[in-house]
Amino acid sequence: EVQLVESGGGLVQPGGSLRLSCAASGFTFSSYEMNWVRQAPGKGLEWVSYISSSGSTIYYADSVKGRFTISRDNAKNSLYLQMNSLRAEDTAVYYCARGRTSLGYWGQGTLVTVSS
Amino acid sequence: EIVMTQSPATLSVSPGERATLSCRASQSVSSNLAWYQQKPGQAPRLLIYGASTRATGIPARFSGSGSGTEFTLTISSLQSEDFAVYYCQQYNRGYTFGQGTKLEIK
Repeated sequence: EVQLVESGGGLVQPGGSLRLSCAASGFTFSSYEMNWVRQAPGKGLEWVSYISSSGSTIYYADSVKGRFTISRDNAKNSLYLQMNSLRAEDTAVYYCARGRTSLGYWGQGTLVTVSS
Repeated sequence: EIVMTQSPATLSVSPGERATLSCRASQSVSSNLAWYQQKPGQAPRLLIYGASTRATGIPARFSGSGSGTEFTLTISSLQSEDFAVYYCQQYNRGYTFGQGTKLEIK
């Protein structure tokens, strides 16, 4: 069974940093592209970042470019999102999701709250 | 950036009736479109990809159609578990989601 479990969310002050993790199991992690997608409270879905299976190709939404860094460790079956210079508008539930086109599997999400 | 616009924002339908949700792209996305269902407190679930192909385990009452800029998700006979928020997503160039349609019980 495919499982994606996010962790690392919490309360952080504006300008602060946070690192999210996504632990994958039930499939060959190194063969799949991964994404981060976020959802602000009561709002819709916003794609954040993509990483190819090898990690060689990476894309970011304009809203996070230069502040967020996606990475993966295929030996540890893990996906990461390093978030720096956090702003109030980054407050959201962050989901990791598997896929290169449509996103067939999602984690349960981890809540990031940016507030003083 | 390709903008996805869903309509209506809220749709009220009685159980057993048909629901039709629309999604429009600001430029052609070919058939590179997916639909997701999201219930409160849950992650989104993939329903349709390639505009019209049901994902694994999705009931046949869900169907997708369209190409280019106009797309439709149809739920043929609404069950109680179908009342949720539905999102379209294009993956033709980057990834963008529509703002969602809330399907509520009439």
